[in-house]
Amino acid sequence: GAGVSQSPSNKVTEKGKDVELRCDPISGHTALYWYRQSLGQGLEFLIYFQGNSAPDKSGLPSDRFSAERTGGSVSTLTIQRTQQEDSAVYLCASSSDGDNQPQHFGDGTRLSIL
Amino acid sequence: GQNIDQPTEMTATEGAIVQINCTYQTSGFNGLFWYQQHAGEAPTFLSYNVLDGLEEKGRFSSFLSRSKGYSYLLLKELQMKDSASYLCAVRDYGNTPLVFGKGTRLSVIA
Repeated sequence: GAGVSQSPSNKVTEKGKDVELRCDPISGHTALYWYRQSLGQGLEFLIYFQGNSAPDKSGLPSDRFSAERTGGSVSTLTIQRTQQEDSAVYLCASSSDGDNQPQHFGDGTRLSIL
Repeated sequence: GQNIDQPTEMTATEGAIVQINCTYQTSGFNGLFWYQQHAGEAPTFLSYNVLDGLEEKGRFSSFLSRSKGYSYLLLKELQMKDSASYLCAVRDYGNTPLVFGKGTRLSVIA
């Protein structure tokens, strides 16, 4: 597709379960970002992949969160032993090289932890 | 530290002009972005400023003053469909992740 694709669009799970969120970036985009958006809050940076460089994990809130990007394309964000405070919309964005290149966002995954 | 400030909510009348302000304090500066986000949808890119001055794009314009750490988004000839949240975001350097403000929820009324 032409845009960033995320799946699932909605996920409801019980506290303590693991979840995997998927992001398929725009073809050819070298940079991929994960953000989290909670109600009434701004977008919170989680993790950033740029080409073949080691990812910037400085935004991950705890060691229960991890992400990988295979083949420089699709990325998976994994949350282990989910907690209620993990409930949020998880947004993925991608961009091409260049300082002035905007990030293009997917529609997000709305995660609800019961 | 990183800090982006913008008003939480604004209301304006259809057909009018509205200005949404954003002030920022960041460790570096390599561009300021404005995004529009309708409820339940993804943020969509509106504008980019890296040099001082005004960038105009149809009904939307964005202004930047780097010395003041200040930007505004100007929306002209407001339409009901412009009701959305407007997000101000700053990039520190390179192609790094954006630092976002909490967004300004704009309501356009008849």
